[in-house]
Amino acid sequence: QQPVQSPQAVILREGEDAVINCSSSKALYSVHWYRQKHGEAPVFLMILLKGGEQKGHDKISASFNEKKQQSSLYLTASQLSYSGTYFCGTAAGGTSYGKLTFGQGTILTVHP
Amino acid sequence: DAGVIQSPRHEVTEMGQEVTLRCKPISGHDYLFWYRQTMMRGLELLIYFNNNVPIDDSGMPEDRFSAKMPNASFSTLKIQPSEPRDSAVYFCASSLMKGEQYFGPGTRLTVT
Repeated sequence: QQPVQSPQAVILREGEDAVINCSSSKALYSVHWYRQKHGEAPVFLMILLKGGEQKGHDKISASFNEKKQQSSLYLTASQLSYSGTYFCGTAAGGTSYGKLTFGQGTILTVHP
Repeated sequence: DAGVIQSPRHEVTEMGQEVTLRCKPISGHDYLFWYRQTMMRGLELLIYFNNNVPIDDSGMPEDRFSAKMPNASFSTLKIQPSEPRDSAVYFCASSLMKGEQYFGPGTRLTVT
């Protein structure tokens, strides 16, 4: 079952912050976050594993709440280059370990 | 590293014709994934391979779709016969173990 992302779209001014949420009805082993710009392929941002710590890279970080089966992506001091569609991909454990199911995406637009 | 290579980048074909999409994963990666992306259905996993062996093909929509991975550096996705509803962007991705997935540039398929 597809994870649910919220919000569906967000519009920011440069320098503002945003949070994108990803929620699953299944127990999760890992959550992946990707960004896709129009007409391009998705690009990996980060992966969070069950039992792992909150990850961060520059001004983009993420958390994973295993009990709630939720993950959040935090974008701080947004830049124009952050614009794009953000997808979470979730993987359950067991035999589905390598299989990602992607959310519907969150469209982020950053204006000057 | 050249990244994941896909060909062709664009394919326009008539309904009923056979279509073959090709993918070369990143050298050394042991997982290969085929995805389809449409506005209506989002990013869907069709099939994935581990060490050239198909692991999960539950996302393949119909028997018209087939995928092979004859060796570690090449995979094909074939649609025969093609239908207009198969029009989509098809992405190939590869990963090392179950880590981050690197996507190819995609093949935009249009079936008229």
